[in-house]
Amino acid sequence: AQSVTQLDSQVPVFEEAPVELRCNYSSSVSVYLFWYVQYPNQGLQLLLKYLSGSTLVKGINGFEAEFNKSQTSFHLRKPSVHISDTAEYFCAVTLSGGGSNYKLTFGKGTLLTVNP
Amino acid sequence: NAGVTQTPEFQVLKTGQSMTLQCAQDMNHEYMSWYRQDPGMGLRLIHYSVGAGITDQGEVPNGYNVSRSTTEDFPLRLLSAAPSQTSVYFCASRTGTGAHGYTFGSGTRLTVV
Repeated sequence: AQSVTQLDSQVPVFEEAPVELRCNYSSSVSVYLFWYVQYPNQGLQLLLKYLSGSTLVKGINGFEAEFNKSQTSFHLRKPSVHISDTAEYFCAVTLSGGGSNYKLTFGKGTLLTVNP
Repeated sequence: NAGVTQTPEFQVLKTGQSMTLQCAQDMNHEYMSWYRQDPGMGLRLIHYSVGAGITDQGEVPNGYNVSRSTTEDFPLRLLSAAPSQTSVYFCASRTGTGAHGYTFGSGTRLTVV
């Protein structure tokens, strides 16, 4: 079974600073990887996804993530954050290919707080 | 295109009461799931369905029941509410391949007193 570990439960940063939110996964087979964002009192919105191919994927709102197979990581980055980026961010994994790949397994989330 | 619609948005129940959380999607997605979100726990899978008439348990199914009579609807029933079921519940759906991730509803915030 797959699992996801988000290494930081909270990340405070100042506005216009760079940020990295760390995610490691565990799986014995190929996976698809996702980052979701949840703004206060809202549902989850897909930020970006890695399926295959280029290991650097770009998403919405200036975020990007790099897939590293050898380190089983999928860290999320933004070069300059805004106050509006304050939200909780979830890393998630599902098995690629056919079969019972129904399950989307989430990490416990990282609360990003951007301070002025 | 409404996506995934959940009702109600908020609900307060007394211990022992039953209720149904509604979920509907208009994207003709095969797969639908229910998750609960608790502080510091991320989202945990309660039940899922791979198509009409087919459902199965996730990692935290106790105290919940589901059915899938149509492609569009996937209601979640709380049989006898307990304070431990106080949570935010999300319904999600996706197409047959996992490549697009899930589309989530806006959630139902449930308090059991």
